[in-house]
Amino acid sequence: EAEVAQSPRYKITEKSQAVAFWCDPISGHATLYWYRQILGQGPELLVQFQDESVVDDSQLPKDRFSAERLKGVDSTLKIQPAELGDSAMYLCASSQGLIGELFFGEGSRLTVL
Amino acid sequence: KNEVEQSPQNLTAQEGEFITINCSYSVGISALHWLQQHPGGGIVSLFMLSSGKKKHGRLIATINIQEKHSSLHITASHPRDSAVYICAVDGEGQFYFGTGTSLTVIP
Repeated sequence: EAEVAQSPRYKITEKSQAVAFWCDPISGHATLYWYRQILGQGPELLVQFQDESVVDDSQLPKDRFSAERLKGVDSTLKIQPAELGDSAMYLCASSQGLIGELFFGEGSRLTVL
Repeated sequence: KNEVEQSPQNLTAQEGEFITINCSYSVGISALHWLQQHPGGGIVSLFMLSSGKKKHGRLIATINIQEKHSSLHITASHPRDSAVYICAVDGEGQFYFGTGTSLTVIP
């Protein structure tokens, strides 16, 4: 069964270090989302791609976060430098189009010490 | 301002009970999603609906577009249903998420 792949599953880093997360959406899914979920809260959209183009990155803290999807397939989310408040689950999701069923990856849990 | 409100926030039920989780939203939507998240796990899409009702096994989801309200029902609840259930709406060009309902089903 097709699934959204994310890595790493877990990441522990010290503050001020750089960290990167990778997501490979379901084949053929043009829309890719990165979400951040803090424990006890719903997911918060960080960035949305349609193919290789950014559709919405209004909630992305651009001073330290960056995201790319160069060939419109897999995507990388980077944080540099990491801060204590960045500790959260980073979820990647994809859908066939702008309106469609969402498929989520298992998430990457980040702990910043 | 929360575009999506869920209730209750926490719910404990005995095995076999009928469970209802409610979701109200304030934006115009093209679709509403019910998602399930197990502790430490990823999120699974349960339903995507834009009108009426959908059923999958013991799960039923309904939506009333005029009232901007949706409900997720679980019949004959089981301990394996214990999870966080999240309502999300696809509206006005972006997704809005509720904060989730944490369900615990006791054997």
